[in-house]
Amino acid sequence: EAAVTQSPRNKVAVTGGKVTLSCNQTNNHNNMYWYRQDTGHGLRLIHYSYGAGSTEKGDIPDGYKASRPSQENFSLILELATPSQTSVYFCASGERSSQNTLYFGAGTRLSVL
Amino acid sequence: GDSVTQTEGQVALSEEDFLTIHCNYSASGYPALFWYVQYPGEGPQFLFRASRDKEKGSSRGFEATYDKGTTSFHLRKASVQESDSAVYYCALGLNYNQGKLIFGQGTKLSIKP
Repeated sequence: EAAVTQSPRNKVAVTGGKVTLSCNQTNNHNNMYWYRQDTGHGLRLIHYSYGAGSTEKGDIPDGYKASRPSQENFSLILELATPSQTSVYFCASGERSSQNTLYFGAGTRLSVL
Repeated sequence: GDSVTQTEGQVALSEEDFLTIHCNYSASGYPALFWYVQYPGEGPQFLFRASRDKEKGSSRGFEATYDKGTTSFHLRKASVQESDSAVYYCALGLNYNQGKLIFGQGTKLSIKP
């Protein structure tokens, strides 16, 4: 069954540490996305990718990097984690169309202490 | 800029009540409009979409009608059940966004048995 799988599901990090969130999709979709979810803000786009080797900045990219080494995998990297990055992060895959349906993973809950 | 506004942050109803969650959008182009639902501990999942004025989208007893005149896409259900308790997101997609979706803030629906 096609799916979007995120790892880890929960992560506790220290301020200033490096954090890598991983995402794998078996939907064979070209596009992949990283969103963060915060109360009062809904889902906000951090980075996205149109295919292997490509990454694009979303609406709130500061403090985050992304990597798309293959069609299936898309990582979100926090080089120097800060407490303001405590949030729930969702990866999604989809097609390159305004009719796009996104398929989301189950999320990663990150706490930066 | 392009945006989606959901008026209600939280809605509390009893079983068999009528539900309305308001969604208004602002967009420079002609967007596709979506509703997503997120159950506790899961990622958001696609509910339905509409792509043109006066089109009605529907799924699982929920429905919404695309209204270009009032720039709205309000979610309605005639008789809610406890299992409908979730967070609901309105979103828009635009051709030049090439697959990216812009989400509203989300509305948490709680149903008392």
